[in-house]
Amino acid sequence: TQLLEQSPQFLSIQEGENLTVYCNSSSVFSSLQWYRQEPGEGPVLLVTVVTGGEVKKLKRLTFQFGDARKDSSLHITAAQPGDTGLYLCAGGEGTDKLIFGTGTRLQVFP
Amino acid sequence: DARVTQTPRHKVTEMGQEVTMRCQPILGHNTVFWYRQTMMQGLELLAYFRNRAPLDDSGMPKDRFSAEMPDATLATLKIQPSEPRDSAVYFCASGPTRISFADTQYFGPGTRLTVL
Repeated sequence: TQLLEQSPQFLSIQEGENLTVYCNSSSVFSSLQWYRQEPGEGPVLLVTVVTGGEVKKLKRLTFQFGDARKDSSLHITAAQPGDTGLYLCAGGEGTDKLIFGTGTRLQVFP
Repeated sequence: DARVTQTPRHKVTEMGQEVTMRCQPILGHNTVFWYRQTMMQGLELLAYFRNRAPLDDSGMPKDRFSAEMPDATLATLKIQPSEPRDSAVYFCASGPTRISFADTQYFGPGTRLTVL
């Protein structure tokens, strides 16, 4: 069974700070996705990366897929309270199945 | 704005009772997933279907859980008998067949199940 470990598990920061969340595995994935989940809702897709070394930017969020496609990172610049939520990485297995990471719970205080 | 819908949103029941959760996937999506989320285990895949046929239910306790798609607009997850350890949020997600890794799964709002 492929496992995805995320770190840190919890993160509390002030508005305006930068942060990085890591997603690591010993297995190679065909693709890597990042989701954000808010209380009482299901996860919502933020980005998909498929090529080793790929970097994608979404406004203040920067996503990177490791060269070996075993790890990924999410960097948020100048965090805002609206960034608060549970961040989940998910590795693609085959064409349909996703293995979700352990999650990072982010709290951004004004 | 097409969305996955799930009913009920909340369910409280007693141990031993049958629980049925329903999901309406986005029209035109032919892949449907059931997940369970708990603080301890995170988000776990229970089962998934393509074109209403079950493809993988290895994540589901077979003795008490069953998942079906009676038609293309309805997926059900049933627990009988329910146990306190089944308390969790159950999510349904739907998506087109992933012919591209850019394709995604769209999650419903979840059913929060509490078994007393």
